[in-house]
Amino acid sequence: GAVVSQHPSWVICKSGTSVKIECRSLDFQATTMFWYRQFPKQSLMLMATSNEGSKATYEQGVEKDKFLINHASLTLSTLTVTSAHPEDSSFYICSATPPVGGGTNEKLFFGSGTQLSVL
Amino acid sequence: GESVGLHLPTLSVQEGDNSIINCAYSNSASDYFIWYKQESGKGPQFIIDIRSNMDKRQGQRVTVLLNKTVKHLSLQIAATQPGDSAVYFCAEDNFNKFYFGSGTKLNVKP
Repeated sequence: GAVVSQHPSWVICKSGTSVKIECRSLDFQATTMFWYRQFPKQSLMLMATSNEGSKATYEQGVEKDKFLINHASLTLSTLTVTSAHPEDSSFYICSATPPVGGGTNEKLFFGSGTQLSVL
Repeated sequence: GESVGLHLPTLSVQEGDNSIINCAYSNSASDYFIWYKQESGKGPQFIIDIRSNMDKRQGQRVTVLLNKTVKHLSLQIAATQPGDSAVYFCAEDNFNKFYFGSGTKLNVKP
């Protein structure tokens, strides 16, 4: 099946610093990638939809200047949490959609997530 | 739009029993639905999917039922095993954006 790699798996940073999370589709080209945030014992909340070569589309209530998304190639999207604060501590998960007819019936593949802790 | 749960309801079942997990989705225009299993500290794992032109789909030990009239999905797990203990989410494809339901924690007692 299609593999999505997310890095790092966990990160601890000081308040006010920026953190970059990478999401790579390893064996397929992903025209669309999604970024989710998950707080403990809660569901996954869609933050933004990222399309290769264009600006990301953010969900209502998500600050685009706070969560910078770059999708520079068909296999890589990055999420940068700028000027992180303790309330940004969360589990961030990326996902990617394979091309139609790419050998799988699944429409969405997930990375393993990044646990961000802001001190 | 998205559904966000503030608390995860828990379903406790005995090993070997059948489990039924329910989910309400938001948008009547959604045409594709997926069930995921998530273990602690990991990303969601695909279980089974169903398109809106179907009302039932079976996999290995799992069955998904779709009731579009009341916007309801259910996941049935046959002969539940300890390894099935996890949090289960449904997700809806709303114009190629995927929104998750509030989730249910399944606790399988040996």
